[in-house]
Amino acid sequence: ETGVTQSPTHLIKTRGQQVTLRCSSQSGHNTVSWYQQALGQGPQFIFQYYREEENGRGNFPPRFSGLQFPNYSSELNVNALELDDSALYLCASSLGSRGNTIYFGEGSWLTVV
Amino acid sequence: GESVGLHLPTLSVQEGDNSIINCAYSNSASDYFIWYKQESGKGPQFIIDIRSNMDKRQGQRVTVLLNKTVKHLSLQIAATQPGDSAVYFCAESGGTNDYKLSFGAGTTVTVRA
Repeated sequence: ETGVTQSPTHLIKTRGQQVTLRCSSQSGHNTVSWYQQALGQGPQFIFQYYREEENGRGNFPPRFSGLQFPNYSSELNVNALELDDSALYLCASSLGSRGNTIYFGEGSWLTVV
Repeated sequence: GESVGLHLPTLSVQEGDNSIINCAYSNSASDYFIWYKQESGKGPQFIIDIRSNMDKRQGQRVTVLLNKTVKHLSLQIAATQPGDSAVYFCAESGGTNDYKLSFGAGTTVTVRA
């Protein structure tokens, strides 16, 4: 167990809808990163939040957005869902934004139909 | 651009034998490397990490070797067990992108009884 918890574990959405995924970081960790993992591929970095500010972003469009709260938990929001957004969304937490061990949650499986 | 890749997509190992999983990276600025294990339907599980000021690090039944000259990373698993069957990912960070991990596509390890 990594102490990183995500919800929901599975969900199905219709193309064009919006989705919010949630993550609680490991106790004491102030940094949360989100990754998208398509079937059969490695995780791809979406963005990172450090002390409630976006600290870096991968090659994802603006309809992917996020928040980090004072307790360091985080949300990933995706608007105008597309079929290709179907993937496992992973939350990862670490202490500090650079060079420390990153622990992943079990992920949220999103299916867009 | 940077890339992290594994040499072989699949590896079949006899139970009790040692496993070696290889990974090549291209970003010469990378200075932190992690191996993750991902079982079906789960998030990546931290195995071991190594920083660029080291060339070898050992954990419980696992050893990571880093060769910065040829930009090569390997994971050795001693006395492979059925529970070691999973997809293994190497990931790296460093340079201007040291806030995120870049993953390869993964190697699927199957342990034969």
